[in-house]
Amino acid sequence: DTGVSQDPRHKITKRGQNVTFRCDPISEHNRLYWYRQTLGQGPEFLTYFQNEAQLEKSRLLSDRFSAERPKGSFSTLEIQRTEQGDSAMYLCASSLVLGNNEQFFGPGTRLTVL
Amino acid sequence: SQQGEEDPQALSIQEGENATMNCSYKTSINNLQWYRQNSGRGLVHLILIRSNEREKHSGRLRVTLDTSKKSSSLLITASRAADTASYFCATATSGNTGKLIFGQGTTLQVKP
Repeated sequence: DTGVSQDPRHKITKRGQNVTFRCDPISEHNRLYWYRQTLGQGPEFLTYFQNEAQLEKSRLLSDRFSAERPKGSFSTLEIQRTEQGDSAMYLCASSLVLGNNEQFFGPGTRLTVL
Repeated sequence: SQQGEEDPQALSIQEGENATMNCSYKTSINNLQWYRQNSGRGLVHLILIRSNEREKHSGRLRVTLDTSKKSSSLLITASRAADTASYFCATATSGNTGKLIFGQGTTLQVKP
């Protein structure tokens, strides 16, 4: 257990539905990241926050994806109008700004879109 | 897109043997990190090597970095069945943007 938690661990939804995932980082970590991982691949960066500010978004993050970190603590990732191609493991990680950017990962949320 | 490639994609060895995995990347980096992922689980940080370092050790792990060749290797000595997992290299690019760019990973199987 790295101290980063994600909820839910698994989500099955029908195409076209909206889903929301939550990530609770290590409490003193001011950076929070979202990655997506498909089977047999390494994680791909989606977006990251420093405190409340969303500092970078990948081109992978289409208009259907939105992420928030309203109070600089937990974060949510919402996918609207899900598509089968959204099926993946969504990983959250946190780190300190200072230091080497060692990131601590949560267990992930596995999304299956039927 | 992925930053780099890992080689081999899959590796199967006997317990007690050494395992070597290689990683290549494309752009200038601030540091390179190795992570382990057990099946269906999150990633666990193993070791970090800065761009101005050439070799680093942590327990049974040895990492090398060659910035001129844009490559790194991870050596696990005296492997154990519990080392069975996927191993990923990840690069933090210069400028401290925060994000990590991962390779495709090496799947290691250690047979007891």
